[in-house]
Amino acid sequence: AQSVAQPEDQVNVAEGNPLTVKCTYSVSGNPYLFWYVQYPNRGLQFLLKYITGDNLVKGSYGFEAEFNKSQTSFHLKKPSALVSDSALYFCAVRDLYNFNKFYFGSGTKLNVKP
Amino acid sequence: DSGVTQTPKHLITATGQRVTLRCSPRSGDLSVYWYQQSLDQGLQFLIQYYNGEERAKGNILERFSAQQFPDLHSELNLSSLELGDSALYFCASSVAASGITGELFFGEGSRLTVL
Repeated sequence: AQSVAQPEDQVNVAEGNPLTVKCTYSVSGNPYLFWYVQYPNRGLQFLLKYITGDNLVKGSYGFEAEFNKSQTSFHLKKPSALVSDSALYFCAVRDLYNFNKFYFGSGTKLNVKP
Repeated sequence: DSGVTQTPKHLITATGQRVTLRCSPRSGDLSVYWYQQSLDQGLQFLIQYYNGEERAKGNILERFSAQQFPDLHSELNLSSLELGDSALYFCASSVAASGITGELFFGEGSRLTVL
């Protein structure tokens, strides 16, 4: 079965510092990985995805993610955090061959302090 | 704007009642997913429809049911409501066919409060 894990419930970072939100995956076959962001009382917004190709994927709002096959990780990164990046972040994996089910991580709350 | 529309945005009702949540997927998307998000919780997958047919079930209670209509909109019916059903209910849509690697597009959610 496909799954993703987000080992940190919360990440705190100072504005201007680099941030990393961690995600590890467990899949059979090729991984199709996604990151979403959720602001308070809003729906989830797509940030970026890894399907194939370059291990460094660039997405919206200056975010990027690094796919590491040997470590089965897909960490979300940003070189310089903004206070407005404070939100809930979800990692997800898509199982193409099981009715396209999406499996979401438990979410990581990112707090960026001024 | 994701293109996925959910109504109502907010709903307050009493225990034992029944409510219906509605979702219109993005134009062209055949698949609809329903998720529940309780306070400070992650996303719980409820059910998925593809072109009118149920495709996958998650942690959906027997008191809950859903359907997808010929025009592809979907409804989630919640009955015999309990306090613990208070949550945000999200609908998401996607082009769902084997080999398609697109992302899910989420609506803004329906916030249900059961008093």
